[in-house]
Amino acid sequence: GESVGLHLPTLSVQEGDNSIINCAYSNSASDYFIWYKQESGKGPQFIIDIRSNMDKRQGQRVTVLLNKTVKHLSLQIAATQPGDSAVYFCAERSGGSYIPTFGRGTSLIVHP
Amino acid sequence: GAVVSQHPSWVICKSGTSVKIECRSLDFQATTMFWYRQFPKQSLMLMATSNEGSKATYEQGVEKDKFLINHASLTLSTLTVTSAHPEDSSFYICSAKRGQGNTIYFGEGSWLTVV
Repeated sequence: GESVGLHLPTLSVQEGDNSIINCAYSNSASDYFIWYKQESGKGPQFIIDIRSNMDKRQGQRVTVLLNKTVKHLSLQIAATQPGDSAVYFCAERSGGSYIPTFGRGTSLIVHP
Repeated sequence: GAVVSQHPSWVICKSGTSVKIECRSLDFQATTMFWYRQFPKQSLMLMATSNEGSKATYEQGVEKDKFLINHASLTLSTLTVTSAHPEDSSFYICSAKRGQGNTIYFGEGSWLTVV
């Protein structure tokens, strides 16, 4: 079936560097995308979202880029901090459904 | 912001017993709640959608007689794992949909260990 996936299971960066976490999706009907942060032993935390009629959206230190042509989504974190260490999931929704489908997840490790 | 609370945060039970996990929306009414299961280093897997006042809708492969879901009020949904076995040990996460909006809020999760 169609799914949402991630390229890299683990990403290690130095504090202060910029981080880029990638996500590929296969459902061409996906029209809403969300990035979640999950710290160890906790539930997912909403970071940022983007609709399919946009290709970029910025938040505080985070930017989400959407390339519908190649079905690719990325999360950019500026000036990565140790507190950013977590697993990051992309999720997609389609067809008016409000239930997100989660991708595999990428573990971000920030070294001080 | 909206808060979803789960209780207990962690629980250890003996094999063969049943355990109940509660999910509460603390400051909003949630007509729809969702239950997820997550194994270590894996993604969240949707188990069921819980609608207030009606039967839950289970995802394919999820045993409804084993994972009993009750959504008796607009602020509370419960997941009961019946006749628990060690393979049921997992991290269970609930989420709630707020009103007519599309935003979904997640709870902090509940760790279940069956010994």
